Amino acid sequence: NAGVTQTPKFRILKIGQSMTLQCTQDMNHNYMYWYRQDPGMGLKLIYYSVGAGITDKGEVPNGYNVSRSTTEDFPLRLELAAPSQTSVYFCASSLGAAQETQYFGPGTRLLVL
Amino acid sequence: RKEVEQDPGPFNVPEGATVAFNCTYSNSASQSFFWYRQDCRKEPKLLMSVYSSGNEDGRFTAQLNRASQYISLLIRDSKLSDSATYLCVVNGRARTGGTSYGKLTFGQGTILTVHP
Repeated sequence: NAGVTQTPKFRILKIGQSMTLQCTQDMNHNYMYWYRQDPGMGLKLIYYSVGAGITDKGEVPNGYNVSRSTTEDFPLRLELAAPSQTSVYFCASSLGAAQETQYFGPGTRLLVL
Repeated sequence: RKEVEQDPGPFNVPEGATVAFNCTYSNSASQSFFWYRQDCRKEPKLLMSVYSSGNEDGRFTAQLNRASQYISLLIRDSKLSDSATYLCVVNGRARTGGTSYGKLTFGQGTILTVHP
């Protein structure tokens, strides 16, 4: 199993541009999550999904959108990039909810200039 | 008060030393507890889960005190490869819309550097 994979690894965007961060997991996990981590800070949840077709907002959803058309894929969309979205983005997945371990992808480093 | 607070660190210790990290959490309804390890510019990886009875994995011992809402991690015989940021993580069920999910709340992390 590859686990959780993310692309791209690094991206530079100009203010106002849009992009999609890709996330795929091959563990047949129901739950998937998107986090952002700012320097020296803990991870903050952006969006999560409990299964295909079901998504919901986390703590910091503004400026982002998600979709979950399949169990495996959970892309994160930035529509109008802003400097405040410069961060490292981690996708994670888990089999269940509160008791289950979350497994993280390698991250996407995004710089918005 | 932060939901999860950790020792500010950083910790700089020689090889072979014993080092302890502490963490407190504010939500008494939290359901599960973990220590994650994060290497520089990498993703967090699960180090170990934490149970009330205490649990040990090789040189690592984790302890949970629910009454005090306190979690600890002890590393014995430190190795150079233990150098990393250690994240205290608390998991509880949360709901923001129509569904509930496992909400992981992360501490800011404690940086450990083990030197020769």
